[in-house]
Amino acid sequence: KNEVEQSPQNLTAQEGEFITINCSYSVGISALHWLQQHPGGGIVSLFMLSSGKKKHGRLIATINIQEKHSSLHITASHPRDSAVYICAVRYGGSQGNLIFGKGTKLSVKP
Amino acid sequence: DGGITQSPKYLFRKEGQNVTLSCEQNLNHDAMYWYRQDPGQGLRLIYYSQIVNDFQKGDIAEGYSVSREKKESFPLTVTSAQKNPTAFYLCASSVLGTAGELFFGEGSRLTVL
Repeated sequence: KNEVEQSPQNLTAQEGEFITINCSYSVGISALHWLQQHPGGGIVSLFMLSSGKKKHGRLIATINIQEKHSSLHITASHPRDSAVYICAVRYGGSQGNLIFGKGTKLSVKP
Repeated sequence: DGGITQSPKYLFRKEGQNVTLSCEQNLNHDAMYWYRQDPGQGLRLIYYSQIVNDFQKGDIAEGYSVSREKKESFPLTVTSAQKNPTAFYLCASSVLGTAGELFFGEGSRLTVL
């Protein structure tokens, strides 16, 4: 079965801490997405990557294709980073082939 | 600004009623998707469409129907045949192919009374 596993499920941090969220998957993929879901429910795309590393502001995403693993890092965390972070992987050739992880709920305390 | 608009944000329905959720995008994307989100679960695909007048079932299509009469619009109807319709519904779009970034709407929360 194709699966996407995220860890941890829940994460509480103090403002300023360095945060890492992990994503492991079991199939060969063409792309991996990191998404952020706000408390209101809307989802924003943070990164799409198929190799290496991407950086946007305080967020860094890495992927290791051989190990089937990706990490999302947040440097100098802030309460406004509190959200659910979702990993999703695209596999195969069909447009509908996208598997989502269950998400990691992050709470950053001031 | 380009984006995806879903409406309504909140919807209440009595058992036995059909309801239609709207999804409109002005990103000129060919691919559109409907997902369902339940607590503790990842998003699950209901239907997707790659071109006007064509769509494919996802993993949980039973009890739902869609149409794609215009490139910009992909409405979802939750029919009375859907046994457990209370959920959060998300519409998304992307360019065709496997390398497209996903764009999501703000979601619609449906509650069956």
